[in-house]
Amino acid sequence: EAQVTQNPRYLITVTGKKLTVTCSQNMNHEYMSWYRQDPGLGLRQIYYSMNVEVTDKGDVPEGYKVSRKEKRNFPLILESPSPNQTSLYFCASSAGTSIRREQYFGPGTRLTVT
Amino acid sequence: AQSVTQLDSQVPVFEEAPVELRCNYSSSVSVYLFWYVQYPNQGLQLLLKYLSGSTLVKGINGFEAEFNKSQTSFHLRKPSVHISDTAEYFCAVSEAGGGNKLTFGTGTQLKVEL
Repeated sequence: EAQVTQNPRYLITVTGKKLTVTCSQNMNHEYMSWYRQDPGLGLRQIYYSMNVEVTDKGDVPEGYKVSRKEKRNFPLILESPSPNQTSLYFCASSAGTSIRREQYFGPGTRLTVT
Repeated sequence: AQSVTQLDSQVPVFEEAPVELRCNYSSSVSVYLFWYVQYPNQGLQLLLKYLSGSTLVKGINGFEAEFNKSQTSFHLRKPSVHISDTAEYFCAVSEAGGGNKLTFGTGTQLKVEL
């Protein structure tokens, strides 16, 4: 089954404790992206990747890092999480870099930073 | 820069009644427009998209939307809703030549009641 998977689905952590949220897709997609969803703000893009070893900032990159060492994986790294990073995170992927290609979303990771 | 406005944060409607969810966008160039649906505790799923051609676009689950360039709108409609349509709906825009970047609205919670 074609899908985007994220782990963990739920995470509660404390301020400053480094964490990684994994994202993996099995569709051989070139493009991958991370979003955060906050009430009243919709989804905002954090980082995106056009292909392996090619990443760039989205609209809200502060406090986050990403890497794209393999085509299928695009982990999101929070080096020193803070409470304002409490949010619902989505990973997405699509074939190619044209908007004509549909973006497929993962099920989301709910992160709470205390 | 592109932006999307969804003025209605919540829309209550009775089952079998028609519904319209409003979306307006702002951009200085040509755009592509999308509607996504998010069911509780799930990721986003593409409902429909406008890329070019006919301004009336039909999507899944009986939804349709009309692109109105003069009014910069892309309202979503369904002639008769079902309880299972209860979800959050997001309008999104991408500028021509902007790659895969999607800018989302703040979302509209559709609540279908018996």
